[in-house]
Amino acid sequence: GQQVMQIPQYQHVQEGEDFTTYCNSSTTLSNIQWYKQRPGGHPVFLIQLVKSGEVKKQKRLTFQFGEAKKNSSLHITATQTTDVGTYFCAGVQTALIFGKGTTLSVSS
Amino acid sequence: DSGVTQTPKHLITATGQRVTLRCSPRSGDLSVYWYQQSLDQGLQFLIHYYNGEERAKGNILERFSAQQFPDLHSELNLSSLELGDSALYFCASSPLPPPNTGELFFGEGSRLTVL
Repeated sequence: GQQVMQIPQYQHVQEGEDFTTYCNSSTTLSNIQWYKQRPGGHPVFLIQLVKSGEVKKQKRLTFQFGEAKKNSSLHITATQTTDVGTYFCAGVQTALIFGKGTTLSVSS
Repeated sequence: DSGVTQTPKHLITATGQRVTLRCSPRSGDLSVYWYQQSLDQGLQFLIHYYNGEERAKGNILERFSAQQFPDLHSELNLSSLELGDSALYFCASSPLPPPNTGELFFGEGSRLTVL
């Protein structure tokens, strides 16, 4: 079945540095979603990408969907301590299948 | 507040026991999804119900079962519990019918500890 792989599993940055997490699927995705889970919290929807090559921005967050619709990335510019958490990508198969996530820690 | 309610928030039980986790979806959402989150395992999809009917199964053990009631709340039953079943169990709801998933709204989860 479809697998969604994310790298890196963990990333530690200094506040103000950039951060990128990558998501790769074994199959072509109809769309991809990104979620953020704060420590001790529940996943919260960030965005959905549908079109090949799509790029969307939310303030300091930039999301990309690959041309072949098999990969995606989330880039955070100038990280802040509020960015701490685990970022998940998810693709639709019979249901929304999540990658294992990238856990971001930020030191000030 | 996502509007999805899960109870109980915490549950401690012994191996071999049976527990029931409850989920009330957002008002109007007909789809309910159950996910299991263990350490370093991400979010594992268990099962999906839409308007009372099972629509998809993921990595759900035979010891686990679920159902969605006419009032759309859902219950996840875990039986013959093992230590490895200790995890955070999330329920999520969506207003869209399958195969469209759209944004999922997650509850705060039920943390199960099996001793």
